[in-house]
Amino acid sequence: DAKTTQPPSMDCAEGRAANLPCNHSTISGNEYVYWYRQIHSQGPQYIIHGLKNNETNEMASLIITEDRKSSTLILPHATLRDTAVYYCIAAARVGAQKLVFGQGTRLTINP
Amino acid sequence: DVKVTQSSRYLVKRTGEKVFLECVQDMDHENMFWYRQDPGLGLRLIYFSYDVKMKEKGDIPEGYSVSREKKERFSLILESASTNQTSMYLCASSLIGANTEAFFGQGTRLTVV
Repeated sequence: DAKTTQPPSMDCAEGRAANLPCNHSTISGNEYVYWYRQIHSQGPQYIIHGLKNNETNEMASLIITEDRKSSTLILPHATLRDTAVYYCIAAARVGAQKLVFGQGTRLTINP
Repeated sequence: DVKVTQSSRYLVKRTGEKVFLECVQDMDHENMFWYRQDPGLGLRLIYFSYDVKMKEKGDIPEGYSVSREKKERFSLILESASTNQTSMYLCASSLIGANTEAFFGQGTRLTVV
């Protein structure tokens, strides 16, 4: 699985869009980009994933660059409940899947 | 909704005890995983299983073993608990194949004294 790089921490004002970057310059063609988040004292929660097209769901949007070497998770209207550690993972989906988590980005939403 | 249930939220065991952490999922997922999470080290994969009786070592399998006798249940075993195994343990499950996501349990905080 490709290694991902994320900033260790970010701040965002409540109500604004939170844009979380992820670098995955060694990603291979069959690897998806996944985002999970972990709110304090809970298990990680799936947010979104994509291969090469931009994706949107009820939680967030995922923008993947054309060369697939980086991506951005967008929380369009951040709330205090979005304060969490956000993990970006690159993983293939062939046979058994193995998710390897990095250190993630600690996002703090400020009132 | 998928549910991944870990048998205990908090557990205190003595050094040298044999410890079983149980995880059950109710969505017929093929994959199941055990992670531990420690401050500053993030989530680290201990073992995973992609089928009944099948297991693969993760990044830190030393001191642990696993058992998967039924598809819905994945057990993590600490043969002889040590204080350095004090940690938060997280179980997860997923389907095999493209476009799937992993679902996590609420975690078990194990303290070995």
